[in-house]
Amino acid sequence: GENVEQHPSTLSVQEGDSAVIKCTYSDSASNYFPWYKQELGKRPQLIIDIRSNVGEKKDQRIAVTLNKTAKHFSLHITETQPEDSAVYFCAASWGGTYKYIFGTGTRLKVLA
Amino acid sequence: DTAVSQTPKYLVTQMGNDKSIKCEQNLGHDTMYWYKQDSKKFLKIMFSYNNKELIINETVPNRFSPKSPDKAHLNLHINSLELGDSAVYFCASSQESTLSLFGNEQFFGPGTRLTVL
Repeated sequence: GENVEQHPSTLSVQEGDSAVIKCTYSDSASNYFPWYKQELGKRPQLIIDIRSNVGEKKDQRIAVTLNKTAKHFSLHITETQPEDSAVYFCAASWGGTYKYIFGTGTRLKVLA
Repeated sequence: DTAVSQTPKYLVTQMGNDKSIKCEQNLGHDTMYWYKQDSKKFLKIMFSYNNKELIINETVPNRFSPKSPDKAHLNLHINSLELGDSAVYFCASSQESTLSLFGNEQFFGPGTRLTVL
């Protein structure tokens, strides 16, 4: 069945360093790849997303890259800050199917 | 303005009881979902509804029965609660249809933490 693998499961970085989280999806029909941030005790919230017709998207300190051939996509956070500490989820979806497959989550800790 | 709301926020109950969680969205979306998030934080889809019709049922025990009275509401009723049902349940909505070319952002409710004793 459809699957999204996410690595690493935990990531600790020093404040100001960059963080990279990687996901691999199995279904080549997937064409929408969102990233969600979930702070402790809160709901997941979208931070950035990318569609399959684009290879890279950037929004201030966060960026997402997509390699359709390899079925990989990655989240890049630069100049990390303590408030970036949270659990991050990748997901894969495709239009018209109502299916959303989430990765297993990455707990990011930014050390001050 | 709350986009997706759920009640209650916390639910503590005994094994064997029946309980319900309510969800409402005011975003005008056609599609709503229920997710279960376990203690390891895995987010697993349980059900998705489009315009009050069940679209996806991800091998959830039939003790769980979703009901959508209209496209703005999706409630979840759980019979004969078991210890393993303890989790955070999230409702979500998105603007999705069979004509959607791409997937769309999901908007999550605040979650309901269910504890079964």
